[in-house]
Formats: sequence, C-alpha cells, structure tokens
Amino acid sequence: SAVISQKPSRDICQRGTSLTIQCQVDSQVTMMFWYRQQPGQSLTLIATANQGSEATYESGFVIDKFPISRPNLTFSTLTVSNMSPEDSSIYLCSVAGTSGGDIQYFGAGTRLSVL
Amino acid sequence: ELKVEQNPLFLSMQEGKNYTIYCNYSTTSDRLYWYRQDPGKSLESLFVLLSNGAVKQEGRLMASLDTKARLSTLHITAAVHDLSATYFCAVLSAVGKLIFGQGTELSVKP
Repeated sequence: SAVISQKPSRDICQRGTSLTIQCQVDSQVTMMFWYRQQPGQSLTLIATANQGSEATYESGFVIDKFPISRPNLTFSTLTVSNMSPEDSSIYLCSVAGTSGGDIQYFGAGTRLSVL
Repeated sequence: ELKVEQNPLFLSMQEGKNYTIYCNYSTTSDRLYWYRQDPGKSLESLFVLLSNGAVKQEGRLMASLDTKARLSTLHITAAVHDLSATYFCAVLSAVGKLIFGQGTELSVKP
C-alpha cells in the first residue's frame, strides 16, 4: 500500500490569491494524479503528473490555472491560481499502488473555500 | 470516451434490508474499483475487480463484475447504520485514467 500525506488539509482563501497543495508519498511512484471534487459531486481528474515531464491536463483544466510540479518520484504540488469562489472544492492527490498497480490510493484531500 | 454511470444516486435503506448499487460503463476496461467516502473524508478502497466474473466480498458488501455487460454491482446484505456513506465505482480507462461514477449516497436508517 501507499501512504499519502497531503497538506494543507483545509484552507480559506481570498478571491484572487493562489494556494499550493502538497502531496508526499511514502514510496516512489511513476504517476501521481490530481482530482477535484466539487461540493456534492463526484471526482474529476485535473491532471496526471509524471516525474521529469510536464503534467498532462484533462479537458477543461489548463496549466495557467492549475500549475503542477513533480520534482521527484515521491512529491508533487498543485497550485490553484487566481482563485474565485467557483474553485471551492476538495482537491485530492492519488497514486497507483506499487504492487502491480491494482489499487489507486488517495490522500486525505484539501478542502478549499474561496471567499 | 469512457463514461461511468451509477444508480441509484440516492438510497435510503432500513437496517436489515438488502440492496444493490449498479455501475455501468461505456467502453471496455479490465479494472473496476469500488470506493467508500464518509462525509468530510477521503476515499477508502473497498474492492478491485480485475476480470470477468470476479466476485469479492468483505463483510456485508459483495462486488461483482461482468465485463461483457460492462456492469458491476455492489450488493449490500442486511444493512447496518455504519454502512451509511457515499459509494463510488471507478473504471480504469485504456490510457490509465480513473473515471468515476456519480456516486451513490447511502443512508441506512434504524
């Protein structure tokens, strides 16, 4: 299994500011994933972060709004830039298990409220 | 494009009753997941189903997979209040992305 530490666990931010979310894994993983869960909704994939290359963004998500870093095989950050109230969501990082990749594990999530 | 649909989206059950949550997906996949999410919490992995006819059970929950029908079921036996949560199915796409269903909010009442 993989243990994922995500921080901050929650934050309240002002409109127009940016927040960087950190995700640390206890083992080396090739791919890390960032998801958004809007209130009462399912999970939507934002991007896939591979070490040593630029993140791959899903339709509707752009690098200028959600820049991602992946400096090594155990760490990634997601920044939510120029925030608006519509960005209020839970942001989760996820990794595939290291034993054959059968299970995808999730961090505890970052609960973001934008005023 | 892979789409995943769950039903029902909301389920109110009495304790002791049985019920089934359905998960349909639109394109071939060789991996299907069930997760549980408690309010304000992250996702907890329940089951990973890897092949046609796969059946897994844990306590009062049993999951099955029919890849030909592109259907998975999560069966709840003799529900108890502790099972109240939101349940998600998710399907692995051909390019390795996990696509989630809408979630089923389960409420088990005495």
